[in-house]
Amino acid sequence: QKEVEQNSGPLSVPEGAIASLNCTYSDRGSQSFFWYRQYSGKSPELIMSIYSNGDKEDGRFTAQLNKASQYVSLLIRDSQPSDSATYLCAGSPNTGGFKTIFGAGTRLFVKA
Amino acid sequence: DTGVSQNPRHKITKRGQNVTFRCDPISEHNRLYWYRQTLGQGPEFLTYFQNEAQLEKSRLLSDRFSAERPKGSFSTLEIQRTEQGDSAMYLCASSFAPSTDTQYFGPGTRLTVL
Repeated sequence: QKEVEQNSGPLSVPEGAIASLNCTYSDRGSQSFFWYRQYSGKSPELIMSIYSNGDKEDGRFTAQLNKASQYVSLLIRDSQPSDSATYLCAGSPNTGGFKTIFGAGTRLFVKA
Repeated sequence: DTGVSQNPRHKITKRGQNVTFRCDPISEHNRLYWYRQTLGQGPEFLTYFQNEAQLEKSRLLSDRFSAERPKGSFSTLEIQRTEQGDSAMYLCASSFAPSTDTQYFGPGTRLTVL
């Protein structure tokens, strides 16, 4: 079992729709969770971090964490073609971001 | 440019040769990470420094890999006796603990082993 699992996709949504990306993790000791966006040929960039159960919103992005279910999700509202990228879910055993474990990523396509 | 920089950006080498990559983190960042990423996969943790101390090294990392961070500034990653399976993108990231755990990634070094 992989430590952080994501559906590889591709996930295809029309422009303006909500894109929902999901992630599960196996290490119950994980405390910090992150969503990174990675454009083709580029390095990852952080979109959201979340540490507590519940929702965290930042602009068009909402991260959701359920530690009991070991589940993390990212919602992208009003999806734009520029959101087309691979989204990486990552977890870390403590709030210091130490030894971050990444999932394989979900490819998102937003159709204009 | 005040971001994380990596050199070289591309490296082509023959099997059996040694290669060394350099990472310059954001200047005030005390944590530095090395990752390896292959096509279709997420970054795979290799090792991590807090200042000059190497605090963890992945069990997946063979003895052919070594990393240093002298004086807690730049870091080097050396791969000895390269193998074709070492072909990948090598990513460096840095962060400033404990105020933030946001890791800022460099552009990566793409290694091709022929």
